[in-house]
Amino acid sequence: DTAVSQTPKYLVTQMGNDKSIKCEQNLGHDTMYWYKQDSKKFLKIMFSYNNKELIINETVPNRFSPKSPDKAHLNLHINSLELGDSAVYFCASRLLAAGELFFGEGSRLTVL
Amino acid sequence: TQLLEQSPQFLSIQEGENLTVYCNSSSVFSSLQWYRQEPGEGPVLLVTVVTGGEVKKLKRLTFQFGDARKDSSLHITAAQPGDTGLYLCAGNTGNQFYFGTGTSLTVIP
Repeated sequence: DTAVSQTPKYLVTQMGNDKSIKCEQNLGHDTMYWYKQDSKKFLKIMFSYNNKELIINETVPNRFSPKSPDKAHLNLHINSLELGDSAVYFCASRLLAAGELFFGEGSRLTVL
Repeated sequence: TQLLEQSPQFLSIQEGENLTVYCNSSSVFSSLQWYRQEPGEGPVLLVTVVTGGEVKKLKRLTFQFGDARKDSSLHITAAQPGDTGLYLCAGNTGNQFYFGTGTSLTVIP
């Protein structure tokens, strides 16, 4: 069973479109994250939710809106996609009291 | 945003050689982790170091946390092709994990 699963794995879309990426974890973790990995492989945190509450919101454009319907799910919706949004988006989870981050396989977004 | 600089950025070595990767910051972290990421996959945790000066060994990998908890190093002895991948350090402050700039290692058979 996949611990942290993201869908879709690949997403190719036109500028200006709206798209969503979904993430689910079956590890019983209470904290989930979205990270963006750029072409230079730098992993930058975007958002974090603990028990469905937003606890970290880094400097991310308002076009990005996370939603956590429950502890096991964290989705990312992106409005009005721009070329610079092209990247691999990783979902991760952990127990707040523990250290290890468990990552999904990533969702590669390409904006044309 | 906390910045963790890793060096070198790229490393290509022959099988059997030793190597060291460095992770430096001006910030103090409560813990520091090392992850390895393979193409098409997410990063996977290798080790967590918590105490300043701590040294941890994982088979051929040796991890050290700086005394001031601002920097760390990863030493690999007798590198093997299976060690190929992107190595990322990550500093932890509370809820946040700040990742380093990454070191891409290629071990040539």
